[in-house]
Amino acid sequence: KQEVTQIPAALSVPEGENLVLNCSFTDSAIYNLQWFRQDPGKGLTSLLLIQSSQREQTSGRLNASLDKSSGRSTLYIAASQPGDSATYLCAVPPGAGSYQLTFGKGTKLSVIP
Amino acid sequence: SQTIHQWPATLVQPVGSPLSLECTVEGTSNPNLYWYRQAAGRGLQLLFYSVGIGQISSEVPQNLSASRPQDRQFILSSKKLLLSDSGFYLCAWSVGRSGAKNIQYFGAGTRLSVL
Repeated sequence: KQEVTQIPAALSVPEGENLVLNCSFTDSAIYNLQWFRQDPGKGLTSLLLIQSSQREQTSGRLNASLDKSSGRSTLYIAASQPGDSATYLCAVPPGAGSYQLTFGKGTKLSVIP
Repeated sequence: SQTIHQWPATLVQPVGSPLSLECTVEGTSNPNLYWYRQAAGRGLQLLFYSVGIGQISSEVPQNLSASRPQDRQFILSSKKLLLSDSGFYLCAWSVGRSGAKNIQYFGAGTRLSVL
């Protein structure tokens, strides 16, 4: 059974810092990995999707990497801003025949002005 | 472009009362539809998914049920709510026949408090 872990559970950084969020998964046989952002009391917004054949995916100040062999992904946020404050979730798709995304519990990021 | 709507945004219900949450998707046809629950301090848990009208799969046995009366409509229901049903309910959609390769897009969620 796939398990996804995100460390740390919470992170507080001053504005302008670069930071890295971590995601690890137990079953490396994945098709892709998705990073989401969730603002308090809101739904999930998809940030980046990395296919299993890719090593990196970039969108603006966000860069996600994937190392399938070690079961790890990182989300790098450059020049953090207060507006980046949110909970960041990673998720991996199920194996063949299943539709259940497996989510980590998220990292709550606070960027202090 | 595709959009997903969930309502209501918040709901406070007494124990034992019925529940009906609705989710609709626009701008796509024959989507896969999902209901997730996010309880405090816990991760997102898939409750139900549907790959077509009238086709519902349950991932977790519980006090809830789901129905898909139309292609782009997904309803989450309960006959009698329990305190443990409190949480944040999210609807999502994706397209394609292979669940593993789909990107899922989420609605804004419904905050349910059972008192």
